Amino acid sequence: SQQGEEDPQALSIQEGENATMNCSYKTSINNLQWYRQNSGRGLVHLILIRSNEREKHSGRLRVTLDTSKKSSSLLITASRAADTASYFCAAFYNQGGKLIFGQGTELSVKP
Amino acid sequence: GAVVSQHPSRVICKSGTSVKIECRSLDFQATTMFWYRQFPKQSLMLMATSNEGSKATYEQGVEKDKFLINHASLTLSTLTVTSAHPEDSSFYICSAFYINYGYTFGSGTRLTVV
Repeated sequence: SQQGEEDPQALSIQEGENATMNCSYKTSINNLQWYRQNSGRGLVHLILIRSNEREKHSGRLRVTLDTSKKSSSLLITASRAADTASYFCAAFYNQGGKLIFGQGTELSVKP
Repeated sequence: GAVVSQHPSRVICKSGTSVKIECRSLDFQATTMFWYRQFPKQSLMLMATSNEGSKATYEQGVEKDKFLINHASLTLSTLTVTSAHPEDSSFYICSAFYINYGYTFGSGTRLTVV
């Protein structure tokens, strides 16, 4: 399959808690991106981390990248009910120049 | 910022008919456009990659005669679902790539074939 893997597939937390999602990819990448999608809607780009970066922050988001393990994680701190959505990682592979999505994590934040 | 306009947002068609979906980059010229399909509760699956003026490159398992992609200009790519069947019902999303902006996604088209 062209897709990378994400875990967990579903995550349910209380408001104020942190949410961590993990993503693995298959081969050499140029960058890895995280997107958010509300049910039945388009994608919202959250953050991009390049292959030579190890950690990146944007507001309440923190992304790490471990190229030796071919994995990335997205941490959302102090979650809010409005963060409820599906979150996808997408790896931009050097070979073929394609953006391939992971399977996604469905996050539910309960007020 | 970069904006990609995708139309229509929703379409219902009868089995056997064809449907065209348009993807336009409004304020930049996209060197490459990508088409994805998303079934309910699933991730986005890359269908094909298109470059302006050349034939699209289809992913394994995607029927090129069924999903016709035309990238006629640097700002417009179209996906035509030919002889649509109910199993083609899905959410189709385009993405345009430009080096200054990276990837920009359209808002998607929900296709229902009845």
